[in-house]
Amino acid sequence: DTGVSQDPRHKITKRGQNVTFRCDPISEHNRLYWYRQTLGQGPEFLTYFQNEAQLEKSRLLSDRFSAERPKGSFSTLEIQRTEQGDSAMYLCASILDGGVGEQYFGPGTRLTVT
Amino acid sequence: QKEVEQDPGPLSVPEGAIVSLNCTYSNSAFQYFMWYRQYSRKGPELLMYTYSSGNKEDGRFTAQVDKSSKYISLFIRDSQPSDSATYLCAMSDRNYGQNFVFGPGTRLSVLP
Repeated sequence: DTGVSQDPRHKITKRGQNVTFRCDPISEHNRLYWYRQTLGQGPEFLTYFQNEAQLEKSRLLSDRFSAERPKGSFSTLEIQRTEQGDSAMYLCASILDGGVGEQYFGPGTRLTVT
Repeated sequence: QKEVEQDPGPLSVPEGAIVSLNCTYSNSAFQYFMWYRQYSRKGPELLMYTYSSGNKEDGRFTAQVDKSSKYISLFIRDSQPSDSATYLCAMSDRNYGQNFVFGPGTRLSVLP
């Protein structure tokens, strides 16, 4: 158990619907990452928070995607008007400030858009 | 050319074999190198983390980094069926926290 939790673990939605995922990082970790992983690929970086500040967003993150981390604790990732191409595993990871390689991942949320 | 390349496998070995997994990369700014293990439908689990060139050993696992060749390796000794998983290499640069790049993963099967 890495200590990073994600909810829900699975989500099936119809195209056009909005979905929101939650990530709770390890409590003392102030940096939090979101990744997307498709079958046969490694995780692809989406966005990154240091405390409550969103410091970087990937060009993969279209206008339909938004992420928040109010109060620098848990984070949410929302996808509006879902498309079939959004079907993937969405992973959250956290790292202690000052840490470099030691990202710890949650179990992921598997999204299926029908 | 992708920034990080990794043979996707699948790689099948008999139990007890020594396994060698490798990644090559193109960005010379990468300073930090990680190996993750990912079981099917689970999140990646950090196995090894090394900084710059050199070797690091942890139990049955040894990580090697050759920055001059832009090549990293993970060796697994006395492989076990429970080692069957996808192994992902990952790298980040000096601006830690802002650029983690993963390879596509190598799928390993250790046969009893």
